[in-house]
Amino acid sequence: KNQVEQSPQSLIILEGKNCTLQCNYTVSPFSNLRWYKQDTGRGPVSLTIMTFSENTKSNGRYTATLDADTKQSSLHITASQLSDSASYICVVSPNNYGQNFVFGPGTRLSVLP
Amino acid sequence: EAQVTQNPRYLITVTGKKLTVTCSQNMNHEYMSWYRQDPGLGLRQIYYSMNVEVTDKGDVPEGYKVSRKEKRNFPLILESPSPNQTSLYFCASSFLTGAVTDTQYFGPGTRLTVL
Repeated sequence: KNQVEQSPQSLIILEGKNCTLQCNYTVSPFSNLRWYKQDTGRGPVSLTIMTFSENTKSNGRYTATLDADTKQSSLHITASQLSDSASYICVVSPNNYGQNFVFGPGTRLSVLP
Repeated sequence: EAQVTQNPRYLITVTGKKLTVTCSQNMNHEYMSWYRQDPGLGLRQIYYSMNVEVTDKGDVPEGYKVSRKEKRNFPLILESPSPNQTSLYFCASSFLTGAVTDTQYFGPGTRLTVL
């Protein structure tokens, strides 16, 4: 069964600290992996997109890594800010044509002053 | 401004009373989709559409209907809502070029409560 798991379920860090969120997937075949940020009460917003040939992708203070062999991805947030408080969702797609996305349950990050 | 809009944003209704949640996008996207989000679960796809008059079931289509008569609109219809359809609903849209960069853009969400 195609599945995406994320850990931890929730995380609390102090402002300015770094953190890493994990994503493991069993989706097959594999086309691409995306990380989304979802602020409370808002729709998800795309942070990064990676194909199987890419093993790292950055977007400002966000850096995603992908190991297609072990089917693992991580999202590293550097020098966290209060505005980073959100849920981070890992999404894996078996194809490029928009259907059959498999969403992870998300990691809820809280950044405290 | 490029966006996906949903209406209403909040809705409380009673079991069995038909309702429609509208979704509209102004980006000329071919692909549109409806998801529901429940606590502890990932977003689950209800229905999707790859173009006008082309719709298909997602993972959890029971109890829902959709239509795609125009490219920009993709309403979600609950003919006879039940309490287990209480959820947060998101509409999303994207281009369908086949490129990895066909990112989905999500609407702001509709919080539905069925009593």
